[in-house]
Amino acid sequence: GNSVTQMEGPVTLSEEAFLTINCTYTATGYPSLFWYVQYPGEGLQLLLKATKADDKGSNKGFEATYRKETTSFHLEKGSVQVSDSAVYFCALGETGANNLFFGTGTRLTVIP
Amino acid sequence: ETGVTQSPTHLIKTRGQQVTLRCSSQSGHNTVSWYQQALGQGPQFIFQYYREEENGRGNFPPRFSGLQFPNYSSELNVNALELDDSALYLCASSLGAGGTYNEQFFGPGTRLTVL
Repeated sequence: GNSVTQMEGPVTLSEEAFLTINCTYTATGYPSLFWYVQYPGEGLQLLLKATKADDKGSNKGFEATYRKETTSFHLEKGSVQVSDSAVYFCALGETGANNLFFGTGTRLTVIP
Repeated sequence: ETGVTQSPTHLIKTRGQQVTLRCSSQSGHNTVSWYQQALGQGPQFIFQYYREEENGRGNFPPRFSGLQFPNYSSELNVNALELDDSALYLCASSLGAGGTYNEQFFGPGTRLTVL
């Protein structure tokens, strides 16, 4: 079956620190992989995605590379800001299916 | 372009009652998916509606049911509420269903509390 395992939080970093949030997946086919972000009081927003192996998704300084050999899609950012404080969800979407499988989320707090 | 909207924002019900949650899809989208997000967990897929027909369902009992209307807005109905139904219910709309993955756009959610 399909599942996503995500690094547990919460994660607290100082501004300008380097961020890594680990995500690994199990899938029966060839999934697309996503990172969603949920800011306080808001809905989920797509942060970035990758649709095939070795693809790199990037947005707003965040990056993640689809690694089929390690079944991973780790989220990274070189220098976090206070405004990046949010909950981050790794998700998997199976081609031909119609739903997303989410990890449990990682809460990031960035302090000045 | 209007985004996905949901109503109500918050709702409190008692065990055994029934509830209806509403979702208006983003302009031009014909597919609506519903997710349940328990506290501290990731969203779990309940079902999807495509052109007014159910188009896939997750591991939820039949007391979770839905509708999609000709304008592509949608309702989620939950009968015989249980305490474990307390959660944030998210609606997501997209253009098309199945096949190549179609990006889903999420609403802010409805927070349901069952006492």
